[in-house]
Amino acid sequence: GAGVSQSPSNKVTEKGKDVELRCDPISGHTALYWYRQSLGQGLEFLIYFQGNSAPDKSGLPSDRFSAERTGGSVSTLTIQRTQQEDSAVYLCASSLGDSLEQYFGPGTRLTVT
Amino acid sequence: AQRVTQPEKLLSVFKGAPVELKCNYSYSGSPELFWYVQYSRQRLQLLLRHISRESIKGFTADLNKGETSFHLKKPFAQEEDSAMYYCALTKDGSEKLVFGKGTKLTVNP
Repeated sequence: GAGVSQSPSNKVTEKGKDVELRCDPISGHTALYWYRQSLGQGLEFLIYFQGNSAPDKSGLPSDRFSAERTGGSVSTLTIQRTQQEDSAVYLCASSLGDSLEQYFGPGTRLTVT
Repeated sequence: AQRVTQPEKLLSVFKGAPVELKCNYSYSGSPELFWYVQYSRQRLQLLLRHISRESIKGFTADLNKGETSFHLKKPFAQEEDSAMYYCALTKDGSEKLVFGKGTKLTVNP
């Protein structure tokens, strides 16, 4: 079947605006992760979902960042009042609940001007 | 806190030469170690994991707990191995991946 998909693939927004990034995990995968890939910082963990609950939100950089997952499937990462330092590629990954292998999506490139 | 260090940002070798991408980690427990690879214009994908002890595309990696290292090796590099390589770990009871900053490998003809 299809792999992890993310939309949009690219997003350019003005500083101060809110953005929503979407992730569709592989069907049947109960675990979902968000990471951020930025120059100089590498890949950073943001948040992890098991089903619809988020047992680990430790990587969210500020309260401007939030995420939700509904129906144990699609997840949305929301960034409010975007700042230039939020510019990065946001990656989503999913895995079976008891598997350590994470499957990554193609990412959303966010540019804040 | 756990940390993964990849000391080389860039690594360039000639086709047919051996290649070693270094990875050191800092964690007091029993981590699971992984190598992920990202080819040009492709998504990040798992290359290998230490618990499976397998060779993928000619690459191997051995976990050395004494030296806290998980270096990736291939005896004869190929041009198609050119990519960005990330070492990562997960800690006990956690599924989140902690990544190193990556090494860009270029294999020259």
